[in-house]
Amino acid sequence: AQSVTQLDSQVPVFEEAPVELRCNYSSSVSVYLFWYVQYPNQGLQLLLKYLSGSTLVKGINGFEAEFNKSQTSFHLRKPSVHISDTAEYFCAVTLLTGGGNKLTFGTGTQLKVEL
Amino acid sequence: GAVVSQHPSWVICKSGTSVKIECRSLDFQATTMFWYRQFPKQSLMLMATSNEGSKATYEQGVEKDKFLINHASLTLSTLTVTSAHPEDSSFYICSARDNGEPSYEQYFGPGTRLTVT
Repeated sequence: AQSVTQLDSQVPVFEEAPVELRCNYSSSVSVYLFWYVQYPNQGLQLLLKYLSGSTLVKGINGFEAEFNKSQTSFHLRKPSVHISDTAEYFCAVTLLTGGGNKLTFGTGTQLKVEL
Repeated sequence: GAVVSQHPSWVICKSGTSVKIECRSLDFQATTMFWYRQFPKQSLMLMATSNEGSKATYEQGVEKDKFLINHASLTLSTLTVTSAHPEDSSFYICSARDNGEPSYEQYFGPGTRLTVT
């Protein structure tokens, strides 16, 4: 079975500073990888996804993530954060084949951007 | 495009009553929808996979008689929490897979906050 680990439950950062949210996964087969953002009392919005090809993927709102197969990681980065980036961020995986395309989520990282 | 709605957005009910939550795909057809549960400050846990015209597939540990799922059309799935108790209070989120897109794409609804008193 696959699993996702987000080691940082909270990440405080000052506005305009860079940020990295860490995600590691475990799976015996190949996976697709996703990052979602959740604002308070709302559903999830897709930030970006890695399916294949270039390991650096760019998403919405200036976010990007790099897939590292050897380290089984998919860290999310943004060079300069804004107050409006304050939210919960979830890393998720789904199996390429089998598994019914079910998503497995990490425990989430609360990004808090401060002035 | 690819909008998923949920109704209601929040509901308060008394212990012992049943509550129905709707999940609709507004601009696409969805043979498959998913229901998740999220406790405060925690991740999403998949409860069940809802398939149009057939029985839902429940995850291990989820009581199928308590969480009734009906997927009667290609745009609507419902989750009914039967005989609700305070421990059922949670944030319920659905997602839908667009029939016209790759199967790994899921679109999420805005969630329903259920409070059982």
